[in-house]
Amino acid sequence: GAVVSQHPSRVICKSGTSVKIECRSLDFQATTMFWYRQFPKQSLMLMATSNEGSKATYEQGVEKDKFLINHASLTLSTLTVTSAHPEDSSFYICSAVPGLASANEQFFGPGTRLTVL
Amino acid sequence: RKEVEQDPGPFNVPEGATVAFNCTYSNSASQSFFWYRQDCRKEPKLLMSVYSSGNEDGRFTAQLNRASQYISLLIRDSKLSDSATYLCVVRISSNTGKLIFGQGTTLQVKP
Repeated sequence: GAVVSQHPSRVICKSGTSVKIECRSLDFQATTMFWYRQFPKQSLMLMATSNEGSKATYEQGVEKDKFLINHASLTLSTLTVTSAHPEDSSFYICSAVPGLASANEQFFGPGTRLTVL
Repeated sequence: RKEVEQDPGPFNVPEGATVAFNCTYSNSASQSFFWYRQDCRKEPKLLMSVYSSGNEDGRFTAQLNRASQYISLLIRDSKLSDSATYLCVVRISSNTGKLIFGQGTTLQVKP
């Protein structure tokens, strides 16, 4: 089946630092990838849609200058949390879609648990 | 109002029980419907798609009522391994593929 990896799986950082999270589709190409965030006991909330070769589309309320997304190839999207603060501590999950995003299944990465001290 | 609403539970049931989860969605333009399973501190995994005609996969049956904007999941003969959070998910009719997740319903199956 389709496999999506994320790196790192867990990161602990000091307030004010930037953290980069990688999402890779290992056995398929993905024009579209999605980035979600999940706080404890809450659902996954879509942060942005990452499109290969173009700018990401951010959801309402998500600061594009704080959460930088780069989708430079068909198998890699990165999310950089800039100047992280304790309130950014969360579970960040990406998904990737082979082919048409509106019709095909999203495959999720294992997630990255970010703790900002 | 949340776009996708679920009773968070938890539902505590004995092994072998039948349990039903419900979900409502607010956007009538919603196109596709799914149930995902999420284990603690893991990513969600697709359990099954949901259709108006009903969809059965072994012990799991999902049903969609478009008129009521209501989705259900029935689990028969519950196993300990069914313990997880079940997420009701909707894809709005658009070309973006965006998924809207419900809060999830937690199931705990006890021996």
